Amino acid sequence: NAGVMQNPRHLVRRRGQEARLRCSPMKGHSHVYWYRQLPEEGLKFMVYLQKENIIDESGMPKERFSAEFPKEGPSILRIQQVVRGDSAAYFCASSPLAVKLDTIYFGEGSWLTVV
Amino acid sequence: QQQVKQSPQSLIVQKGGISIINCAYENTAFDYFPWYQQFPGKGPALLIAIRPDVSEKKEGRFTISFNKSAKQFSLHIMDSQPGDSATYFCAASRSNFGNEKLTFGTGTRLTIIP
Repeated sequence: NAGVMQNPRHLVRRRGQEARLRCSPMKGHSHVYWYRQLPEEGLKFMVYLQKENIIDESGMPKERFSAEFPKEGPSILRIQQVVRGDSAAYFCASSPLAVKLDTIYFGEGSWLTVV
Repeated sequence: QQQVKQSPQSLIVQKGGISIINCAYENTAFDYFPWYQQFPGKGPALLIAIRPDVSEKKEGRFTISFNKSAKQFSLHIMDSQPGDSATYFCAASRSNFGNEKLTFGTGTRLTIIP
């Protein structure tokens, strides 16, 4: 999973601030998934994107959360007006154009702490 | 119907022993069942995966057993080593081309003791 780059690795925000998490997929990968891991829990799917398209956002909270994957640059998960309950690890995964499930690779995560 | 239930929550096994982690799913449309290994501060890494057309898959010391009728699958780690100490997640997915989102279990924290 070393090829999927996430930054920042750790982020501290005060309640009400905005958090932006970035994900650069592995070279040649055009599919990006975002997952959230709450303390002592499994990963929960949030959103699936291809370049310039949101394919499935069924796991995204209805408010304050948004994601994009522009033609150029990394995918960004944006959380507006953060609350303590947003504190979690956010993982990005990527896969190549011809998707095979065993070619999905995860990044090392971004740990968000809301104080 | 999208849940994957995993047990136990934590497991302590002596070095050289067999570690067994179990998962059960509800959605019969799932057709891909991977196991992920996660070390503290790291992302999950694919360990081994199985599809429902086989009942068992072995890779080195790691074996997945799959029971389609019971909708259960398990991970067996033979000759467990201290380096296997990690959190293990089972997952499930529908392998429709275009959206392979994973539904994860809640994880098992495995500790191998000398």
